[in-house]
Amino acid sequence: EAGVAQSPRYKIIEKRQSVAFWCNPISGHATLYWYQQILGQGPKLLIQFQNNGVVDDSQLPKDRFSAERLKGVDSTLKIQPAKLEDSAVYLCASSLEGQQISTDTQYFGPGTRLTVL
Amino acid sequence: AQTVTQSQPEMSVQEAETVTLSCTYDTSESDYYLFWYKQPPSRQMILVIRQEAYKQQNATENRFSVNFQKAAKSFSLKISDSQLGDAAMYFCAYRSAGTYKYIFGTGTRLKVLA
Repeated sequence: EAGVAQSPRYKIIEKRQSVAFWCNPISGHATLYWYQQILGQGPKLLIQFQNNGVVDDSQLPKDRFSAERLKGVDSTLKIQPAKLEDSAVYLCASSLEGQQISTDTQYFGPGTRLTVL
Repeated sequence: AQTVTQSQPEMSVQEAETVTLSCTYDTSESDYYLFWYKQPPSRQMILVIRQEAYKQQNATENRFSVNFQKAAKSFSLKISDSQLGDAAMYFCAYRSAGTYKYIFGTGTRLKVLA
């Protein structure tokens, strides 16, 4: 089966510019996650969708970050305006969220590396 | 709030030897899941092994095994017969049983020496 797809893979922007990232989860996966991974740190959850509804966005800086998941499939994450501290890898992941919770597995995409100058 | 701590930023192991990566966590919940993820350089993060908190038996997956000490809130990963392909960042992660929210540690970079 195809994995989680993300684009672009790399993006360089100036501070105060806007940027958008796209994620296509594995087909049939209900849950989609966006993580921010700053160099040298572990992934930090920004937002979690279940189908097209938001489950958790408590760590999303809502004054500049927004995300949507239309029709419960693809998702976009936007930053407007970007700051220097937004430089990071943005990871998208998805999971089936079937009834077998104990065996549910999170699959990650390759990530988008954002550099803000 | 739950936290996950990995106190070893970097570890090295000789090829074919055994290495143990440490992870501690803090939670007030009784039902949860613990994971080890591997992130090779410039490659996607993948699941290595999982442990259900309600299971006393330690999980094993081929050369990978865990030492789960629930009372001590410790969850270490043992890699036996280390191979060059094991070189990667390893992240410990926690997930509540009732949600699909994951909390990751800061990672341990494992170097495998030939």
